[in-house]
Amino acid sequence: KAGVTQTPRYLIKTRGQQVTLSCSPISGHRSVSWYQQTPGQGLQFLFEYFSETQRNKGNFPGRFSGRQFSNSRSEMNVSTLELGDSALYLCASSLDRGDTEAFFGQGTRLTVV
Amino acid sequence: GNSVTQMEGPVTLSEEAFLTINCTYTATGYPSLFWYVQYPGEGLQLLLKATKADDKGSNKGFEATYRKETTSFHLEKGSVQVSDSAVYFCALTRNNAGNMLTFGGGTRLMVKP
Repeated sequence: KAGVTQTPRYLIKTRGQQVTLSCSPISGHRSVSWYQQTPGQGLQFLFEYFSETQRNKGNFPGRFSGRQFSNSRSEMNVSTLELGDSALYLCASSLDRGDTEAFFGQGTRLTVV
Repeated sequence: GNSVTQMEGPVTLSEEAFLTINCTYTATGYPSLFWYVQYPGEGLQLLLKATKADDKGSNKGFEATYRKETTSFHLEKGSVQVSDSAVYFCALTRNNAGNMLTFGGGTRLMVKP
């Protein structure tokens, strides 16, 4: 079966702009989570959506937002980009329970200049 | 809050050497524990997991045992190969808390022929 698909793979944006990243989960998975990966902070949880509702949220400013559609596809948006937002953004899809495997996409590499 | 601490890398080994990567955690309740692996340019892949105390997760020659008394989940492999070179992440989720993964900082493993 198809894996988790993230688009685009690479993105270059200017400070102050906004960006939208997309994630298509594995068919049948209703949970989608987003993570930010940077060399300095490692992997940090952004938020999780389940059945179109935000179920968990990490400690990120309100500039970071997300949503999930009825087909479980998810988008995350970052407004007023800062240089420090440059990172690899990873999406993971899972079945409902927290002890099941999270399947990760290859990520979107965002560079803010 | 929840946290995961793993040994810093890089860990450099010769092929066929024994591998141990230490991981300890702090969590309320009874978390599920995971090891994920990230190859260059890729997302994360689940390597193994354990969902309750004394469980042993194993896959591709790697093993880790859920030790509640020492709050540890150390990763071991008896004989590493060059193809095992990657970054390894220890992680946990709290049961009944959705799919929010808390990751350790990652340990880079380099295996030389």
